[in-house]
Amino acid sequence: AQSVTQLDSQVPVFEEAPVELRCNYSSSVSVYLFWYVQYPNQGLQLLLKYLSGSTLVESINGFEAEFNKSQTSFHLRKPSVHISDTAEYFCAVKRVGSEKLVFGKGTKLTVNP
Amino acid sequence: KAGVTQTPRYLIKTRGQQVTLSCSPISGHRSVSWYQQTPGQGLQFLFEYFSETQRNKGNFPGRFSGRQFSNSRSEMNVSTLELGDSALYLCASSLELASNEQFFGPGTRLTVL
Repeated sequence: AQSVTQLDSQVPVFEEAPVELRCNYSSSVSVYLFWYVQYPNQGLQLLLKYLSGSTLVESINGFEAEFNKSQTSFHLRKPSVHISDTAEYFCAVKRVGSEKLVFGKGTKLTVNP
Repeated sequence: KAGVTQTPRYLIKTRGQQVTLSCSPISGHRSVSWYQQTPGQGLQFLFEYFSETQRNKGNFPGRFSGRQFSNSRSEMNVSTLELGDSALYLCASSLELASNEQFFGPGTRLTVL
């Protein structure tokens, strides 16, 4: 079975500051890794994913995440956040060949002016 | 292309009643998964359908059921509602089984009184 731990339930930061949202996973088989974002009263939007290849993946809005197999981590980073990045972020894993996503509990990112 | 649509968006029921939620996947997508989101348990996998067949089921009681139609639209049903069933129910669609990307709908907010 797979499991995901998001170490911080809430992360407050100031606008233009860097941020890191931490995610660790546990799995005995190969997995794909994902970060989803959820804005208030909305569904989940895929932010970025790691399937294979380069361990550093980037999104179109400046977020990046690095897959670290030895540390079983997939932390999400952004060098300079905006007010509009305020949302809840979910890390998820999926066993290769499966459709089922296993989510972490989420991290609420609040960007203050 | 229209995204995943879920109806209704909001629903209020009383204990003991039953409810049916609907999900229309993105055109051409044949796989549909359902997730329950609550503040306490987070996002939990309910079930997954492909070609009108349930392929995978999460750890939920038999009161939770679903089905998929030939046009890939899916419904989930919860019978004998309990207060703890109050949640956001999210539907996700993907092109094929075990694909690398799922697209989520806005969810149905169910409140059980």
